[in-house]
Amino acid sequence: NAGVTQTPKFQVLKTGQSMTLQCAQDMNHNSMYWYRQDPGMGLRLIYYSASEGTTDKGEVPNGYNVSRLNKREFSLRLESAAPSQTSVYFCASSEAGAGRETQYFGPGTRLLVL
Amino acid sequence: GQSLEQPSEVTAVEGAIVQINCTYQTSGFYGLSWYQQHDGGAPTFLSYNALDGLEETGRFSSFLSRSDSYGYLLLQELQMKDSASYFCASGDNLFFGTGTRLTVIP
Repeated sequence: NAGVTQTPKFQVLKTGQSMTLQCAQDMNHNSMYWYRQDPGMGLRLIYYSASEGTTDKGEVPNGYNVSRLNKREFSLRLESAAPSQTSVYFCASSEAGAGRETQYFGPGTRLLVL
Repeated sequence: GQSLEQPSEVTAVEGAIVQINCTYQTSGFYGLSWYQQHDGGAPTFLSYNALDGLEETGRFSSFLSRSDSYGYLLLQELQMKDSASYFCASGDNLFFGTGTRLTVIP
């Protein structure tokens, strides 16, 4: 049982390049989330998926797109990276409804945009 | 909008008790969660309050007062390994506080 896995662990991009961050969970959770965390800050929600086939914007969705590929996988895409997107990105999953407050986080992806 | 406010830093002595406060403003309310994050690591879930009162989980307890839009995390018998950042979050996982960095000193 790996929990929540994320790839890659580290990435350096040039401004304007695109990339996709991958996330998968093996806990059969319905809900999945993408957050970003800037130095010394809390987590800010980018997008979430309450269940397979649905996605919703969070607090800071601009510059990102997501895909809920199936129940296990939830990817985050940066179409044209900007230095302001330099951050640590965390994927998380939880049950839907009762129990949703308990989130399980992946190890994070550290992204540097030059 | 929604906001969750916490003190930025707290320092406490090993073996002591420390309280980390969280005041919130939310348009809807789904309870209050608490997470711990060590430097370079991922957040891990600690506790959740759906209703008013105290929830106890070992050395950690969490309290909620919905009428005051206020909660706190209480850490007892502090250990050096408790040095970390602590975040409150809305129970629907949509909003997190800015975090409190706890430093435990000998």
